[in-house]
Amino acid sequence: DAGVIQSPRHEVTEMGQEVTLRCKPISGHNSLFWYRQTMMRGLELLIYFNNNVPIDDSGMPEDRFSAKMPNASFSTLKIQPSEPRDSAVYFCASSFERGETQYFGPGTRLLVL
Amino acid sequence: AQSVAQPEDQVNVAEGNPLTVKCTYSVSGNPYLFWYVQYPNRGLQFLLKYITGDNLVKGSYGFEAEFNKSQTSFHLKKPSALVSDSALYFCAVTTTGGFKTIFGAGTRLFVKA
Repeated sequence: DAGVIQSPRHEVTEMGQEVTLRCKPISGHNSLFWYRQTMMRGLELLIYFNNNVPIDDSGMPEDRFSAKMPNASFSTLKIQPSEPRDSAVYFCASSFERGETQYFGPGTRLLVL
Repeated sequence: AQSVAQPEDQVNVAEGNPLTVKCTYSVSGNPYLFWYVQYPNRGLQFLLKYITGDNLVKGSYGFEAEFNKSQTSFHLKKPSALVSDSALYFCAVTTTGGFKTIFGAGTRLFVKA
């Protein structure tokens, strides 16, 4: 298995632009997680899905952030409009069952100018 | 409130010496406990986990962790450190029912040759 796949790996955009991050979880995994990592705040859980349904989005910072999982093999995290404080590394992870070992993708490094 | 604490921001150890990275938690019920490692510019990688059974858990790369229920601790250990072990280490706890995984702030391990 190729592991969790994220795209793009790097994104540079200007403030106010829409940013879409993509994730393909490991086949057969039914839980998917979006995290954000910064030096200041460390690793933060933004949202997680179980069987394609959002279970907990309490970590989503504000309405500018939205996430979808239209099917078991694809999820998106969208920021609209983006702001410089959104600059971070965004990780997607998946697990076979919720509570089990999470497998992380390589991350998307986002820079908002 | 449920939490995971990694009391040391950084641990320094000489190559060949034993290492310990500390983790304590405050979670109700019988949690699942994990250690993950993050190398520069990479996603987190699973090292080991405790669910039930023997309090000493062995994982990847020669690492092991000891679960201590009375002290609510799950310290990561290795008998002989390698320079290549230098990385960021995260302790994580999944709450009963698997609804949420809480990550510690991370401990940076430096192994000096």
